[in-house]
Amino acid sequence: AQSVSQHNHHVILSEAASLELGCNYSYGGTVNLFWYVQYPGQHLQLLLKYFSGDPLVKGIKGFEAEFIKSKFSFNLRKPSVQWSDTAEYFCAVNAKAAGNKLTFGGGTRVLVKP
Amino acid sequence: GAVVSQHPSWVICKSGTSVKIECRSLDFQATTMFWYRQFPKQSLMLMATSNEGSKATYEQGVEKDKFLINHASLTLSTLTVTSAHPEDSSFYICSARDPFRDREGSPLHFGNGTRLTVT
Repeated sequence: AQSVSQHNHHVILSEAASLELGCNYSYGGTVNLFWYVQYPGQHLQLLLKYFSGDPLVKGIKGFEAEFIKSKFSFNLRKPSVQWSDTAEYFCAVNAKAAGNKLTFGGGTRVLVKP
Repeated sequence: GAVVSQHPSWVICKSGTSVKIECRSLDFQATTMFWYRQFPKQSLMLMATSNEGSKATYEQGVEKDKFLINHASLTLSTLTVTSAHPEDSSFYICSARDPFRDREGSPLHFGNGTRLTVT
């Protein structure tokens, strides 16, 4: 079945550590890729998106993601995290093959220790 | 930017009663809105696509008679959880695109969500 997978359910790291969250999808054809963040008690916010062009996209708050088409992956990275990055991160895919519905991965809870 | 507002933010109701959740697009007209459900520690699951002036499109496994969706205007969609039971307790989130500013496949604008607790 077509799906979006996030490899890690929970990540705990210290401030200034580097962060990488994996995301894989199984849709073929044209896809639009997103990373959303949900801070405690808040609504979903868009971190970054990929539609076309440069596969390395930069988002807000120092986050970036790389689209690797051959691996069906769109991993999120941040070189040096802060305590305020504690949140839940969701990868999402909008695939033409799936009727352009936005499908979310299972989410990764990130806890940054001060 | 486009703003989506949901009301109420949280609601507690007794088992067997019905609850209505409103989703409004504040500064744009949304011909399509999406209703998601998020269980604790789980991801968002698309429940249905709300289409202005026509019937909603429900995802597989979602009971259309239980989750009534009405999209009577270009700025308002409502989700009514009928005869709610404790297992319906969840976080319900609506979202929409601005059809004039957002091309197909663009990011959705999300409401703040409604936490429903059925006792």
